Amino acid sequence: QKEVEQDPGPLSVPEGAIVSLNCTYSNSAFQYFMWYRQYSRKGPELLMYTYSSGNKEDGRFTAQVDKSSKYISLFIRDSQPSDSATYLCAGGGQGFSFIFGKGTRLLVKP
Amino acid sequence: DGGITQSPKYLFRKEGQNVTLSCEQNLNHDAMYWYRQDPGQGLRLIYYSQIVNDFQKGDIAEGYSVSREKKESFPLTVTSAQKNPTAFYLCASSRTQGAYGYTFGSGTRLTVV
Repeated sequence: QKEVEQDPGPLSVPEGAIVSLNCTYSNSAFQYFMWYRQYSRKGPELLMYTYSSGNKEDGRFTAQVDKSSKYISLFIRDSQPSDSATYLCAGGGQGFSFIFGKGTRLLVKP
Repeated sequence: DGGITQSPKYLFRKEGQNVTLSCEQNLNHDAMYWYRQDPGQGLRLIYYSQIVNDFQKGDIAEGYSVSREKKESFPLTVTSAQKNPTAFYLCASSRTQGAYGYTFGSGTRLTVV
């Protein structure tokens, strides 16, 4: 059973575009959600951590959780070439570890 | 600066050898994790520990062993029983049970030669 799914991409956008990255999950017990950015051959870097449904904004990044449809999104405004990376989503709950998606590769072209 | 240090960055293993990957954190986090990352596979949990002297198997624990003798340290041993050990290994830590997210190290790339 694939608990967290992401389109692997690559998703290619021009510089300055708004990027939408999405994940679906199957476990209704998930309460916490994370988005990570991972550059090639580096460790993942935490971008956003959210609890339950709703939106959370941090600079150019907005995370959105819709628990009713089991859908999570990350929006990147004014995308830059330095945003080119693989983006991982993850879901978790009380008493168990987070489950990660396989990641979506993003390419932002100058 | 607080963070997680993994060493070495690159490691080569001969057939039949055991090797140990180091993971040290100075974030005062209670929980620590080991993940394996293969192309197209995402992050797969090997072992995790929520407290000193206690750890649990993850989804792919066979052929691996860990210890948690100190809060700061969570070394991973890849044994000769692990038939396909070539991968990128990531260590992470968090406050209790993932609260506020995981902090990852920079990874160790293990190659069998």
